Amino acid sequence: GAGVSQSPSNKVTEKGKDVELRCDPISGHTALYWYRQRLGQGLEFLIYFQGNSAPDKSGLPSDRFSAERTGESVSTLTIQRTQQEDSAVYLCASSFEGGGLTDTQYFGPGTRLTVL
Amino acid sequence: SQKIEQNSEALNIQEGKTATLTCNYTNYSPAYLQWYRQDPGRGPVFLLLIRENEKEKRKERLKVTFDTTLKQSLFHITASQPADSATYLCALDIDDKIIFGKGTRLHILP
Repeated sequence: GAGVSQSPSNKVTEKGKDVELRCDPISGHTALYWYRQRLGQGLEFLIYFQGNSAPDKSGLPSDRFSAERTGESVSTLTIQRTQQEDSAVYLCASSFEGGGLTDTQYFGPGTRLTVL
Repeated sequence: SQKIEQNSEALNIQEGKTATLTCNYTNYSPAYLQWYRQDPGRGPVFLLLIRENEKEKRKERLKVTFDTTLKQSLFHITASQPADSATYLCALDIDDKIIFGKGTRLHILP
């Protein structure tokens, strides 16, 4: 596709349920990032993939959060046993090479997660 | 601790005037700084990158400055238009981890 896509666009779930968020990066982009944005807040870095390996997982807030990536393609962010504080917009971005801000990130539209 | 600060309150600017947004940081020595625009319900869009050895960068009506002594970047929009209304985020590169500020909401009043 022409840009980064994410699905679902909106997800409402009950506390304690697991959710899976999907990101399709721009074709050919080796780097993929996940961020969380709470209402009125900045972007909180979660995890970064270079290819299918994750050199930096330091942003994952707890062991309930995990992410994987298939090759240089789709990534899935999984949140287990969701809590109300997990409610936020989850943004995915991809870039051609990665390695910090030397490479422009292209963001998807985000998935708005609401945990009741 | 490391910290990025952007104007926390919304900025209201009259159409045609220059809007200036501030990004301050502490305890960092970033090699690069980027500015992004974010519209409601959308992901951020890259605008400009400035390197530590560059004092100023321009792109059409946008200008960014980077003062590593003051630990500050200024983002200017000249001849502002209502379509410039959005949230503007600065982002720093620290050890290949990208740290974003909370953003400043800009309203250009017609």
